[in-house]
Amino acid sequence: AQRVTQPEKLLSVFKGAPVELKCNYSYSGSPELFWYVQYSRQRLQLLLRHISRESIKGFTADLNKGETSFHLKKPFAQEEDSAMYYCALIGGSSGSARQLTFGSGTQLTVLP
Amino acid sequence: SQTIHQWPATLVQPVGSPLSLECTVEGTSNPNLYWYRQAAGRGLQLLFYSVGIGQISSEVPQNLSASRPQDRQFILSSKKLLLSDSGFYLCAWTRPGQGRGYTFGSGTRLTVV
Repeated sequence: AQRVTQPEKLLSVFKGAPVELKCNYSYSGSPELFWYVQYSRQRLQLLLRHISRESIKGFTADLNKGETSFHLKKPFAQEEDSAMYYCALIGGSSGSARQLTFGSGTQLTVLP
Repeated sequence: SQTIHQWPATLVQPVGSPLSLECTVEGTSNPNLYWYRQAAGRGLQLLFYSVGIGQISSEVPQNLSASRPQDRQFILSSKKLLLSDSGFYLCAWTRPGQGRGYTFGSGTRLTVV
């Protein structure tokens, strides 16, 4: 079974401070990890995925297979980063309906 | 371009009444389709997914059901709603075999009273 754990439901930081949203996963194979974001009154959308090794809006996330973690980080938080963030995992074989398993989400609030 | 439509945006229904939420995708064919639910204080939970017309897989047993009468149409239903069915329902689609291409609808806020 696959599981994603986000231990923090709420996280508040001040503008300009570093931010780290924690994500741990449980999966027996090689997972694909993602971060999704939902800004107020907007659709849930993909922020980044581990296979791309990309930085989106200043956010990065490194897959640590030893610690089974995929924490989301940004060195200097901005007020517009305030949103709900979901860590997600895909397992399953290629060609099947590869379901996303989501964590419970972390509501990030960046204070002025 | 591909788009996904989900309606209604909000719905208030009495306990015991039926439910029908509809999701349609445009601009693609043979998508994988998904229904997720977010209950208060909980994360997103996969309810159903479908890889083709008439093919429905259920992840969580409950009084909800799903149907796919057409290639790009996915319907979430219930014959009798329970209070516990309240939540935020999201439809999503991907291209077959490409889980990274998830696109979500705007969601339906269901309140059962």
